[in-house]
Amino acid sequence: SQQGEEDPQALSIQEGENATMNCSYKTSINNLQWYRQNSGRGLVHLILIRSNEREKHSGRLRVTLDTSKKSSSLLITASRAADTASYFCATDAGGGTSYGKLTFGQGTILTVHP
Amino acid sequence: EAQVTQNPRYLITVTGKKLTVTCSQNMNHEYMSWYRQDPGLGLRQIYYSMNVEVTDKGDVPEGYKVSRKEKRNFPLILESPSPNQTSLYFCASGWGGPGYEQFFGPGTRLTVL
Repeated sequence: SQQGEEDPQALSIQEGENATMNCSYKTSINNLQWYRQNSGRGLVHLILIRSNEREKHSGRLRVTLDTSKKSSSLLITASRAADTASYFCATDAGGGTSYGKLTFGQGTILTVHP
Repeated sequence: EAQVTQNPRYLITVTGKKLTVTCSQNMNHEYMSWYRQDPGLGLRQIYYSMNVEVTDKGDVPEGYKVSRKEKRNFPLILESPSPNQTSLYFCASGWGGPGYEQFFGPGTRLTVL
């Protein structure tokens, strides 16, 4: 079953606005990653946040993690048309039967209008 | 250039005809993995490998085989493809395991008629 689920499924904004995407997961995790995919191409890693971290920044990206709510959010500030892509969260649940597995959510399709 | 390569990039085949999709990485990564991507389902992990000769099932392994005889290569084998395996396939690699940044190949679009 899917570990990560994203919300919203699609988001349409104007250039310069902020975009927020959310990811919820079901079991405890070691870390959570965000990836970006341009139409039909390979995924590109954006940022990784570990389970003992609450917030992380990278350029215009801000990621938060709330392990008590089993959720994460990705904020893209001052969006650009080039940010148009699908965004996925991925969770690494660590040991036990999930050792080695990386589980992706269904993704959020972001469209930024010029 | 550090990269993950997949071949072929596009493949149309018929039910039951065995095929192999190759994956190779030049970054000396220990961890490699295969995913399939279908509309509305995101990426689902098929198989992964923590190191040479160590492979394990992901969430959707049925109908697939893999091998990891060398560190750089991780081929995906469909011994008897069926139409429900029509999908976009991605290979990925990373240091140490799934808890690290994954580098993805460009994808292989497979159609099984």
